[in-house]
Amino acid sequence: AQKVTQAQTEISVVEKEDVTLDCVYETRDTTYYLFWYKQPPSGELVFLIRRNSFDEQNEISGRYSWNFQKSTSSFNFTITASQVVDSAVYFCALTRMAGNMLTFGGGTRLMVKP
Amino acid sequence: NAGVMQNPRHLVRRRGQEARLRCSPMKGHSHVYWYRQLPEEGLKFMVYLQKENIIDESGMPKERFSAEFPKEGPSILRIQQVVRGDSAAYFCASSPLWDPNNEQFFGPGTRLTVL
Repeated sequence: AQKVTQAQTEISVVEKEDVTLDCVYETRDTTYYLFWYKQPPSGELVFLIRRNSFDEQNEISGRYSWNFQKSTSSFNFTITASQVVDSAVYFCALTRMAGNMLTFGGGTRLMVKP
Repeated sequence: NAGVMQNPRHLVRRRGQEARLRCSPMKGHSHVYWYRQLPEEGLKFMVYLQKENIIDESGMPKERFSAEFPKEGPSILRIQQVVRGDSAAYFCASSPLWDPNNEQFFGPGTRLTVL
């Protein structure tokens, strides 16, 4: 069985602060894929990143960066110099090779105050 | 290139009525997934379909829920005799291939409210 845990249900920061969203996963598969999605107040899901289990390189995209550590089964997401527009619920998700269904974490609600 | 379309965006039903949610995948995509998001929770997988086939329905409630993806037309998620606990956002996603390396493209969701 697969499981994704986002222990932080809600985080509040002031604009320009850095913030890290934690994601810990469980899977018996040796090959799997990890994702992060953003759900702004409007409700749609916005794809942010996909990472496969063979690629442990960290990734940076603008103010966003991701730290994948297989040894600790974690795939953490950092927003540098947060902005009010970053306020949203962020979901971490996992999928396996045999079947495409995503297993989502419970989400972290990020509130960035001006 | 239109994205995944879902309609209606908002649906209100009274207890006991039927709800039909539609999903048109992206052009060229033959795989459809339905997820449910209960209030203040993450998304939960419900069913995975290809054209005219249900591949995995392990997340579907045993009663009142059904899904189809006909050869022509959108995928339909049908909820019979709705109850208040069915109130949720229902998201559809599509992908072009079975390979999970392909991103799933999500629709905007249908928000179902049961009075």
